[in-house]
Amino acid sequence: RKEVEQDPGPFNVPEGATVAFNCTYSNSASQSFFWYRQDCRKEPKLLMSVYSSGNEDGRFTAQLNRASQYISLLIRDSKLSDSATYLCVVTVYNFNKFYFGSGTKLNVKP
Amino acid sequence: GAVVSQHPSWVICKSGTSVKIECRSLDFQATTMFWYRQFPKQSLMLMATSNEGSKATYEQGVEKDKFLINHASLTLSTLTVTSAHPEDSSFYICSVTGRQETQYFGPGTRLLVL
Repeated sequence: RKEVEQDPGPFNVPEGATVAFNCTYSNSASQSFFWYRQDCRKEPKLLMSVYSSGNEDGRFTAQLNRASQYISLLIRDSKLSDSATYLCVVTVYNFNKFYFGSGTKLNVKP
Repeated sequence: GAVVSQHPSWVICKSGTSVKIECRSLDFQATTMFWYRQFPKQSLMLMATSNEGSKATYEQGVEKDKFLINHASLTLSTLTVTSAHPEDSSFYICSVTGRQETQYFGPGTRLLVL
């Protein structure tokens, strides 16, 4: 079983839509959680960390559910510029191991 | 956050040659750097953890004699793909762990082996 699993998508949504992605992780000892954004042929860039209490940054909201071992990302009022692949990242073992999901592709259309 | 650079950004080489990729942490002293590889439409896969002043730690299935890692200073790690073959063609990315355990990635190096 993979450490981190994501629905690869693609999610095709119109501008202004609200879209949510989930990411499940298998190791209950996972310590930190992040969402990264990767544009085509570019390196991943940090979008936001995911805290136990959840966190919000503008149109983006991240949640952590430890009991069910998943994290989520909600994007409200989607913009064309939100089109990208969203990677969830999980760390274990004192942050010496980082595990990436395979990414969820989002296409926001006019 | 940390600023990370990589050089070269892309390289095309003949099969059998060796290619060296540099990863520099520009504003952060990094005792540990990470090397990843990403094939098209796939996730980043950790190849190895580069440790300053000591041997790198390789992930299962990654040949240490094929992918030589040197971390000679707190700001520089190099990955050398020895005797490259077409199946080594990939996107190689390094990263540094910054504050709050976030990873900061270099811009990546695209390797094409003909």
